[in-house]
Amino acid sequence: DAKTTQPTSMDCAEGRAANLPCNHSTISGNEYVYWYRQIHSQGPQYIIHGLKNNETNEMASLIITEDRKSSTLILPHATLRDTAVYYCIVPGTYKYIFGTGTRLKVLA
Amino acid sequence: EAGVAQSPRYKIIEKRQSVAFWCNPISGHATLYWYQQILGQGPKLLIQFQNNGVVDDSQLPKDRFSAERLKGVDSTLKIQPAKLEDSAVYLCASSFRGQSTDTQYFGPGTRLTVL
Repeated sequence: DAKTTQPTSMDCAEGRAANLPCNHSTISGNEYVYWYRQIHSQGPQYIIHGLKNNETNEMASLIITEDRKSSTLILPHATLRDTAVYYCIVPGTYKYIFGTGTRLKVLA
Repeated sequence: EAGVAQSPRYKIIEKRQSVAFWCNPISGHATLYWYQQILGQGPKLLIQFQNNGVVDDSQLPKDRFSAERLKGVDSTLKIQPAKLEDSAVYLCASSFRGQSTDTQYFGPGTRLTVL
């Protein structure tokens, strides 16, 4: 299963774009990249996933580098409600292995 | 569409007591997961069911933890006897088929405190 590396914490000003990086240098060709977030006292919430092309939905955009060894989750206009822990996951055969994620704090 | 339901939301017990958690997955989802999340850490998979069969229970402390998914829908996770280190949030998740390309959807969790 591919291992992911994320910064421990980040701050972002409200209304600005939040760019959360993830390194997954051992990813194999058919493995997807998933992003979840966990707001305090809630279960993890699915955000977005992708294989090789950039993806966008109503919550965020996912940019995957051409070599697929890293990706960036973009929250285009961060709000205070986006304060959470963000997890980048590359499922192996079927298993999600969560690291400690990136603690994003959106500042007013 | 209703999400993953869990109960209770909070439970406080004393060590050596037993406790059970209940999970109802999203309708039609064949795969159900139980995770343990200790404060400050990411969730850790305890057990995965495909319908009513166990796919992976390699991280389940089988001397004290047990889980079942009768009829392939609802599931219960039991701890007997509880230890102090079992204090954690227990999360249930479900996915359509359990393949690596399937999105997992999580419930709100049960916060267990063992005194």
